[in-house]
Amino acid sequence: KAGVTQTPRYLIKTRGQQVTLSCSPISGHRSVSWYQQTPGQGLQFLFEYFSETQRNKGNFPGRFSGRQFSNSRSEMNVSTLELGDSALYLCASSLARQFSGANVLTFGAGSRLTVL
Amino acid sequence: KQEVTQIPAALSVPEGENLVLNCSFTDSAIYNLQWFRQDPGKGLTSLLLIQSSQREQTSGRLNASLDKSSGRSTLYIAASQPGDSATYLCAVHTGTDKLIFGTGTRLQVFP
Repeated sequence: KAGVTQTPRYLIKTRGQQVTLSCSPISGHRSVSWYQQTPGQGLQFLFEYFSETQRNKGNFPGRFSGRQFSNSRSEMNVSTLELGDSALYLCASSLARQFSGANVLTFGAGSRLTVL
Repeated sequence: KQEVTQIPAALSVPEGENLVLNCSFTDSAIYNLQWFRQDPGKGLTSLLLIQSSQREQTSGRLNASLDKSSGRSTLYIAASQPGDSATYLCAVHTGTDKLIFGTGTRLQVFP
């Protein structure tokens, strides 16, 4: 059973550029959540998608956006990159909504973004 | 605002020791608490999930307890092994439907 796949694993961008990250959930999982991890702020929730709809959003600026396709694959986009966007971006999938009952999240290995 | 703190930030122990990792949260109104493990450069692996109505959960050498009233959870690792070396994170599911993570405890178990 394949796990959660994130691509690309590593990427380098410069300030002002935009980036798109992809997440393929475990087959059958309908919820995909995105998190940002930095040494200073730790792990912070970005947003959750379920059945192609954004269900929940963290406290991030509008430069951070995402979407989910009918096959549950999800992408997140960051526009006008800033140095502070350098981070490990993790996605997690689950069968049901992220916060329903004893729903366990399965995380991908992450996409490490460096902004120069 | 929910805040989650983990103590200690780092821990280095010899193989075979029993360990206790601590997690504290400021708002006792939580739905559940999870413990995760993160290996360097990798994602998170869920270890244990404790519902708010439960007091503890066990999986192999791991035991997690939850005391909602005092805002505390502990992760007990029995007979530690070098393969247990990783960063351990706790996370609480709050009423605002968000998962709030602690800052983690970096554990090193040496032979």
